[in-house]
This record gives sequence, structure tokens and C-alpha cells, in this order.
Amino acid sequence: EVKLVESGGGLVQPGRSLKLSCAASGFSFNDYWMGWVRQAPGKGLEWIGEINQDSSTINYTPSLKDKFTISRDNAQNTLYLQMSKLGSEDTAIYYCARTYNNFDYWGQGVMVTVSS
Amino acid sequence: DIQMTQSPASLSASLGETVTIECLASEDIYSNLGWYQQKPGKSPQLLIYYANSLNDGVPSRFSGSGSGTQYSLKINSLQSEDVSIYFCQQNYDSPFTFGSGTKLEIK
Repeated sequence: EVKLVESGGGLVQPGRSLKLSCAASGFSFNDYWMGWVRQAPGKGLEWIGEINQDSSTINYTPSLKDKFTISRDNAQNTLYLQMSKLGSEDTAIYYCARTYNNFDYWGQGVMVTVSS
Repeated sequence: DIQMTQSPASLSASLGETVTIECLASEDIYSNLGWYQQKPGKSPQLLIYYANSLNDGVPSRFSGSGSGTQYSLKINSLQSEDVSIYFCQQNYDSPFTFGSGTKLEIK
């Protein structure tokens, strides 16, 4: 069974950094592109970016390229999202997802709240 | 960036009815279009990929169509469990943008 479990969310002060993790299981992690999507409270979905199998290609949505960094550790079957200079606009549920025919599997999401 | 204009924003229909949701891309996306269903408090789930291919386990009352810049999701014989928000997403060109969503309710 494919499983994606995000962790690392919580309350963070404006201007600070936070790193999210996504633990993958039930499939061959290093065979797939992986991505991150976020959803602000009561809002739609925003594509953050994606990373290919060997981390040689990473794509970001332009507005987040300088703040967010996607990485992965294939030995640990884990995807990461490093977020810096966080502001209130970054308050959202963050989802990791497997990229295959769009996003075919999603994690349950992790909440990040940016507030003083 | 490719803009995805989704309509309507909300929709109310009776059980057993057929509903259609539309997505218009700002340029040709060559059928690289997926549809997702998000039930309240849950993660999105992929229904349709490549415009008209049904994802595994998705009921056959869901179908997708379209080409070029215009795409649609049709739900036949509406069931109570179909109450959700539906999103389209283009995966033709990065950033892979989503539509704004359609909230489907039962009358």
C-alpha cells in the first residue's frame, strides 16, 4: 500500500524557517518524481514544485523559488521541503504527493501556521 | 504560467442528476489535464488523468473529455458521496497550475 506521511509542521514565527518531511512507503521511492502542494485555509490548491528521481531536476512555482527548497533522500525514502523567511501568507496545509499521471497519491497533509 | 479558469465556482444538483464542470486553459495543454476530488477535511484524490483516463478505483460515473484549451469533468447519476470540491490541474508546463475549484453540493 502506498503511504505518504508528512511531518514537521506547527506554529512558527514570521521570518523563521521550517523543514517539512514526507516519509514514503509501499512503492519504489527512487523511481518517481515527487512534489509538494499547499492549501491555505478555505482556499484552493497551490503547486509548490517537484523533484525528479535523482534530484538533478527541481522545478518550483516562480513566486516561491527563492523561499522554498525541495530535496530528497532516496536511501531514507524521504522527501523534504525547506521553507525560509516565512510569512502569514505561508499558513497552509502542506501536502506531499507522488507524481505519476498528475499526482496519483497524496499524504494526509501537515499544517503550518505562521504567527507571532 | 498557464492559467486554469474553472467554472462554475459552485454547483448544486439533485441526486441522480448529471453535472459538468469545466476548465479552460490559457494555452493549449495537449490533454495534459487531471481532475481531483477533495472531500471535506481530506486530501485530494486523482479521478482523471490525461483528460479522459479514469484512475484506478474511480467509479465509471466520472468521465473526462476535452482537448486543446477546453476540458470538462462529467459526473453521471450524482450520489451523496460526490459532495466535494473538484479541481483541475494542468501538467503540460511547469508550474503545474490548478484551477480554483468547484464546490459541489446536493440539493
